[in-house]
Amino acid sequence: DIQMTQSPSSLSASVGDRVTITCRASQSISSYLNWYQHKPGKAPKLLIYGASLLQTGVPSRFIGSGSGTDFTLTISSLQPEDFATYSCQQSFSPPLTFGGGTKVEIK
Amino acid sequence: QVQLQESGPGLVKPSETLSLTCSVSGGSISNHCWSWIRQPPGKGLEWIGYIYYSGRTNYNPSLKSRVTLSVDPSKNQFSLNLSSVTAADTAVYYCARLVVNPDYYFDYWGQGTPVTVSS
Repeated sequence: DIQMTQSPSSLSASVGDRVTITCRASQSISSYLNWYQHKPGKAPKLLIYGASLLQTGVPSRFIGSGSGTDFTLTISSLQPEDFATYSCQQSFSPPLTFGGGTKVEIK
Repeated sequence: QVQLQESGPGLVKPSETLSLTCSVSGGSISNHCWSWIRQPPGKGLEWIGYIYYSGRTNYNPSLKSRVTLSVDPSKNQFSLNLSSVTAADTAVYYCARLVVNPDYYFDYWGQGTPVTVSS
């Protein structure tokens, strides 16, 4: 199985901050990397697919980049509704696997 | 807007079978692929398996011997059965629509339903 490692596991930030989350794959996955946002009691939300493609309706402050083994999700200016947990997921090779998640908290 | 809603018992006894159903509204279950994902307490998400509307399935090898997915197009629902459960199967269970394009990603999710395995 391809292991997905996210860092950091949590971070504290303020509204307006630029936030970067990293996801590393245990082997090359080309651009088969997707990002999700989830909040307790709510349906998780697809943010980015294909490493850098913005899902319809997702604000442009969410930016995905990377290829191969190293990927980043950047929130260019953190908004109050962005405090949540973010997870990456690879689809290069089955089984589909996720990172451990990064919790973004209010500083 | 497609919406998914999980339903089923919140408490299952060890060695029994966990059964959940996902009801899809706002769109047809046909011509799509549907999946189950879970998140144990304090851990990351784990993909369980997916099923096409035609009934073709693909399971996570780590759970394959215990998992059965089924689909009921007449009810716009799909279901998960996980047999011989243990405390390690305690998790929040999500259903989701899986896009196969050729990238595989989940574009719609349910809110999740917590399931505890305990006697």
